[in-house]
Amino acid sequence: EVQLVQSGAEVKKPGESLTISCKGSGYIFTSYWIGWVRQMPGKGLEWMGIIYPADSDTRYSPSFQGQVSISADKSIRTAYLQWNSLEASDTAMYYCARVGYCSGGSCYSSPTTPTDSWGQGTLVTVSS
Amino acid sequence: EIVMTQSPATLSVSPGERATLSCRASQSVSSNLAWYQQKPGQTPRLLIYGASTRATGVPARFSGSGSGTEFTLTIINLQSEDFAVYYCHQYNNWPRTFGQGTKVDIK
Repeated sequence: EVQLVQSGAEVKKPGESLTISCKGSGYIFTSYWIGWVRQMPGKGLEWMGIIYPADSDTRYSPSFQGQVSISADKSIRTAYLQWNSLEASDTAMYYCARVGYCSGGSCYSSPTTPTDSWGQGTLVTVSS
Repeated sequence: EIVMTQSPATLSVSPGERATLSCRASQSVSSNLAWYQQKPGQTPRLLIYGASTRATGVPARFSGSGSGTEFTLTIINLQSEDFAVYYCHQYNNWPRTFGQGTKVDIK
């Protein structure tokens, strides 16, 4: 069974740094892109960026370029989302998601494939 | 960036009836369109990908159609567990983008 398990909720102050994590299991971690999605309180879903753990090829949505860093450690099957200096507007639920799908016994993953599995979410609260 | 516009924002439907949700892309996304269901406090769930292919375990009462810029999610015989927010999502172009969501609530 594919599982993405995210790190726990965080409460931080503005200006602090933070790294949250997403550990994959039940599939070949290096064969799938992993993405990060933001959901601000009461709002919709926003795609932040994706990473290919096999070679750390990373792409950011323009709105998030320079605001966060995405990385991965394939040796421990874990992807990360990092902030250097949090702002109150970073308060949100953050989801990691596996980019790819399986059909007819074959599986595919590329930046242009759907997202089939999601982590449980990490709630980040930034408040002074 | 491709803008995905969903309509209506809210759809009030009685159990057992049909719901028709629309999604329009600002430029063609071919058939690289997915639909997700999200219930309060829960993780999004993939329903449809490739515009019309149901994901594993998704009931047959959910169907998707369309290509290019116009897409539809149809739910027939609405069940109590179907009342939720539905998002369309294009993955044809980077950056990937979502619609703003359609809330399906009980009439």
